[in-house]
Amino acid sequence: AQSVTQLDSHVSVSEGTPVLLRCNYSSSYSPSLFWYVQHPNKGLQLLLKYTSAATLVKGINGFEAEFKKSETSFHLTKPSAHMSDAAEYFCVVSETDSWGKLQFGAGTQVVVTP
Amino acid sequence: DTAVSQTPKYLVTQMGNDKSIKCEQNLGHDTMYWYKQDSKKFLKIMFSYNNKELIINETVPNRFSPKSPDKAHLNLHINSLELGDSAVYFCASSPRGLAGGYNEQFFGPGTRLTVL
Repeated sequence: AQSVTQLDSHVSVSEGTPVLLRCNYSSSYSPSLFWYVQHPNKGLQLLLKYTSAATLVKGINGFEAEFKKSETSFHLTKPSAHMSDAAEYFCVVSETDSWGKLQFGAGTQVVVTP
Repeated sequence: DTAVSQTPKYLVTQMGNDKSIKCEQNLGHDTMYWYKQDSKKFLKIMFSYNNKELIINETVPNRFSPKSPDKAHLNLHINSLELGDSAVYFCASSPRGLAGGYNEQFFGPGTRLTVL
C-alpha cells in the first residue's frame, strides 16, 4: 500500500526567501513521486517527477526536489519565492503496478508575503 | 489548444437530479481518470479507463457511472445527486496504458458541482 504525508498544511514565506515543502511517503514497491501545484480555482499542473533516475529532480519555475530513500522523503524546495508561487502544492506517489493510480497528500498551502 | 477539457466548468443542481460531466483529451493518451476534490482540497481517485476498458474502480457509490465511448473521452454520470456529492471533479489523462507509475497525469480544469 502507498501513502503520502505532507508535514505542513500551511507555509508562509516572504518574497525572495527560500521555500521548503516537506513530504514523506510509504510504498511497498519502487514508487514514482510527483509534485503538483494548484493555483486558486485552477487545475493541477505538474512541477516535477521522480522516476528512479537522478535523485535530485529539477522542475519548472525553479523548483527542485530530492528523493531520499533512506528517509522516505521527497521534499520540494525553491531558493527564492515569488508572489506567483502562492498556491496549493500536492506531493503524490504512484506505484509501478498500480495502473498509474495516484495517491495524493493532503496538500500544503503556500502564502507569499511581500 | 486545450489538452484536457471538461464541460461544464460549473454545475449547480438540486438534490435528486441526474447530471453528467464530460471530459475530452487531445493528447492521444491511452488512459483517463476521474478524481474528486473535496472541500478540504483532498484529491481521491474514483475511476480509470484504459482504451475504453475500466481498470480502476474505487469504492464509489454506484450512483456514479463512468462511460468511455472512445479513448479520447471519459464521461461521468451521477444519478440521484446528494449534498455530499458537492465537490470539484477533475478529469486526467496519461500516456501509458500498461501498469506503470512513471507517466505523469495531465489534469483538466475541473468541474465544480454544487448540490442544493
